[in-house]
Amino acid sequence: SQKIEQNSEALNIQEGKTATLTCNYTNYSPAYLQWYRQDPGRGPVFLLLIRENEKEKRKERLKVTFDTTLKQSLFHITASQPADSATYLCALDPSSNTGKLIFGQGTTLQVKP
Amino acid sequence: GAVVSQHPSWVICKSGTSVKIECRSLDFQATTMFWYRQFPKQSLMLMATSNEGSKATYEQGVEKDKFLINHASLTLSTLTVTSAHPEDSSFYICSAVTPRGIQETQYFGPGTRLLVL
Repeated sequence: SQKIEQNSEALNIQEGKTATLTCNYTNYSPAYLQWYRQDPGRGPVFLLLIRENEKEKRKERLKVTFDTTLKQSLFHITASQPADSATYLCALDPSSNTGKLIFGQGTTLQVKP
Repeated sequence: GAVVSQHPSWVICKSGTSVKIECRSLDFQATTMFWYRQFPKQSLMLMATSNEGSKATYEQGVEKDKFLINHASLTLSTLTVTSAHPEDSSFYICSAVTPRGIQETQYFGPGTRLLVL
């Protein structure tokens, strides 16, 4: 069966450390994968998109990797801040051309001061 | 970045009534919008694809007669939950794709919290 999984357990880290979140998928061959941030009671906010031919992508303190062999994407936040506390969702488009996104269940990150 | 709004932000209604939720792209035209639903502690689940000028396409298990979608203009899609029941209580979120294309980012609205009593 097709699945996209994120660690459902909350991730608690100390301010200044690097947070690493994992997204694994099975039985998909997406052309790209996206990461979103969702705050409680709000809609998702787009962070990064990484294509299948890209190994790594960076945006300020954020870094995403995409390993199509392992079927895994890692999302890193360096020098984390309490304001980074939120739920982070990975998403993919199974058909790669319809825009219909399948989301993981999200990982909640808590950065402690 | 592109802005998508939703109205209302929250609504409480009695069982059996119908509720309309609006999704607007404020600074771009969106030929395609999507409607998602999110239950507490769960992820977003795609309900349907709203296409301007044509019928919406629904995901498996979503009742098209219960969740009516109208995409009458390039900036507005509406979702009507007909004869709402308590199990329809959820967080409804729309997204819009910019004219640059499907593989570009989707911009999500802030969501509408529906509570059916």
